[in-house]
Amino acid sequence: SQTIHQWPATLVQPVGSPLSLECTVEGTSNPNLYWYRQAAGRGLQLLFYSIGIGQISSEVPQNLSASRPQDRQFILSSKKLLLSDSGFYLCAWSEGTGANEQYFGPGTRLTVT
Amino acid sequence: TQLLEQSPQFLSIQEGENLTVYCNSSSVFSSLQWYRQEPGEGPVLLVTVVTGGEVKKLKRLTFQFGDARKDSSLHITAAQPGDTGLYLCAGAPGNQFYFGTGTSLTVIP
Repeated sequence: SQTIHQWPATLVQPVGSPLSLECTVEGTSNPNLYWYRQAAGRGLQLLFYSIGIGQISSEVPQNLSASRPQDRQFILSSKKLLLSDSGFYLCAWSEGTGANEQYFGPGTRLTVT
Repeated sequence: TQLLEQSPQFLSIQEGENLTVYCNSSSVFSSLQWYRQEPGEGPVLLVTVVTGGEVKKLKRLTFQFGDARKDSSLHITAAQPGDTGLYLCAGAPGNQFYFGTGTSLTVIP
């Protein structure tokens, strides 16, 4: 069966510090991978998605970036965090093009102080 | 512009009551998904509807896909406190998944 992991679970970082959130998927090959940000009690904002190693599409201009160094690893980064970067970050995977369903990781709660 | 609009945004009901949540779009989707999310956790997939007019049941939850495949509804019968959570609809025209605005449901014992 497939599983998806995210870490850390929670993170408190000062403004201007760097960020690295990691997501890994097990039990599947060549998944589509996604990073979302969610405000409290609200829907999901797609930040990045990837259909393969080194292939990243950005949906929202911001000071965040994403990388996919391996088939089942997706990393969300920032060189300098802003207060507005606080939120709940979710990683998800789906099968390739035409997939109907997404599966989510447990999320990372980021607080920028 | 939000591709999928959900209503109501917030819903607070007594245990045992029935409720319906709506997911509407001006776009046609090949399928729509419904997820439930509890605080501090990732969304969990409940169901996928694919065919226009399709109805799927998951215990006390009934999901319907509109005939034109532009909208969907989720009906909960005899709601229980365990149904409390954020309900999200989503559709994927291509590689991207578009999520609805969410409906926050609270079932009061």
